[in-house]
Amino acid sequence: GDSVTQMEGPVTLSEEAFLTINCTYTATGYPSLFWYVQYPGEGLQLLLKATKADDKGSNKGFEATYRKETTSFHLEKGSVQVSDSAVYFCALSGGRMTGNNRKLIWGLGTSLAVNP
Amino acid sequence: EADIYQTPRYLVIGTGKKITLECSQTMGHDKMYWYQQDPGMELHLIHYSYGVNSTEKGDLSSESTVSRIRTEHFPLTLESARPSHTSQYLCASSEYSERATQYFGPGTRLTVL
Repeated sequence: GDSVTQMEGPVTLSEEAFLTINCTYTATGYPSLFWYVQYPGEGLQLLLKATKADDKGSNKGFEATYRKETTSFHLEKGSVQVSDSAVYFCALSGGRMTGNNRKLIWGLGTSLAVNP
Repeated sequence: EADIYQTPRYLVIGTGKKITLECSQTMGHDKMYWYQQDPGMELHLIHYSYGVNSTEKGDLSSESTVSRIRTEHFPLTLESARPSHTSQYLCASSEYSERATQYFGPGTRLTVL
């Protein structure tokens, strides 16, 4: 079935460091890919998404490119801030295995801590 | 800006009590979801709904039940709470498209003593 694998955390960085959180997926068909972020004590919110191959999603300085050839959707940010400390979730929907149920397939989440 | 609300935000309750977690959205979304989130962060879908009078069980078996009598309202009920139900419960909603973004409420943190 469809699945999402993201790098394990926790990830600890200093302020202004470069961030990469890896996400790879397995899916039949042409899924949409998402990154959600969960700040401490809050629900999840959409960070960015891409709906087809080679699309780049971007928001708040974060970027991710939908790479069908490597089945990846890695999250990057050039210079992280303390306020980026959160848990990041990669997800997919619309793959052939998930289509009928219209559900999101979630990664396990990666915790990021940014130190001043 | 998403408009989805959950109450209460925090609940501490004794074993055997009946509880209802409230979830409401003002976006007119057809689909709604309940997730249970482990302390280790993993999300588990426990219930979802395509629309009024539609409810389905999710990927993780749960002793809770849900109802969808109105489009905007998707409450979750535990008839007899147990310590094993202690968790974070997140409600979400989306448009009907399978590629639609899910919008989340702030969550209810439930502790059963």
